[in-house]
Amino acid sequence: KQEVTQIPAALSVPEGENLVLNCSFTDSAIYNLQWFRQDPGKGLTSLLLIQSSQREQTSGRLNASLDKSSGRSTLYIAASQPGDSATYLCAVKETSGSRLTFGEGTQLTVNP
Amino acid sequence: DAGITQSPRHKVTETGTPVTLRCHQTENHRYMYWYRQDPGHGLRLIHYSYGVKDTDKGEVSDGYSVSRSKTEDFLLTLESATSSQTSVYFCAISASGTADQPQHFGDGTRLSIL
Repeated sequence: KQEVTQIPAALSVPEGENLVLNCSFTDSAIYNLQWFRQDPGKGLTSLLLIQSSQREQTSGRLNASLDKSSGRSTLYIAASQPGDSATYLCAVKETSGSRLTFGEGTQLTVNP
Repeated sequence: DAGITQSPRHKVTETGTPVTLRCHQTENHRYMYWYRQDPGHGLRLIHYSYGVKDTDKGEVSDGYSVSRSKTEDFLLTLESATSSQTSVYFCAISASGTADQPQHFGDGTRLSIL
C-alpha cells in the first residue's frame, strides 16, 4: 500500500528565506506527483504536477523535483512571502489506479 | 480557478438521517472524485467516476454511495449518517486519467453529524 509522508509537519520561517518542503513515498511505481496548497477553510489549489518521466517542474517562485528511485519529491519556494503561509500537500497518483494518495501536509508560516 | 461548486458548504444533521452532497462542474471533465479530509488521516478517496453512470470505489467507500447521471454532476449520498462520517468532503475533477492531467478541487463541504 502506498504511503506518503511529509516532514516537517510544520515550519516557520522569516520573510525572504528560501525553503524546501519534503515529500516521500513508499512505492516508486507512480504515474505522477502533484503539489497542492490549502488555505484554512478552503479547498486545494494545484501548484505543480510532475509526471513520472520528468525530473522537475517550475512555476514562478516554485520549483518541484522528483526522484522516483529514492521515492522523494521536494518543493522549493524562493524568497518566501507572508502570502505563502498555508498548508502544502503532496499527492501521488499510482500507475494502476486513478486515485491520489496524499501526505498529511506541511503547515508553513512565513513571518513578516 | 476550475469551475467546481459544492453544495451545501456546511451541514449539520443527526445520526441516522440521509444526506446528499452535490458537486457541480462547468469544465466538462470526464473524471470526478469524492474525498474526505480528517485530522491524522489526510485526504482519502471515497468514490470516483470516470464517466456518466461509471463509478468505482475508493479506499473508504463503506457507508457511501454515488451517482452520476450527467457529466456535470456527481452526488455523494450517506444513506444513514453516522458520527464517524463527520468530516470535510471535497470534490475533485480531472480532464482524463492520464499522467499529465492534474486534479482540481472544490472548496469543500463541512458536514457535522450529531
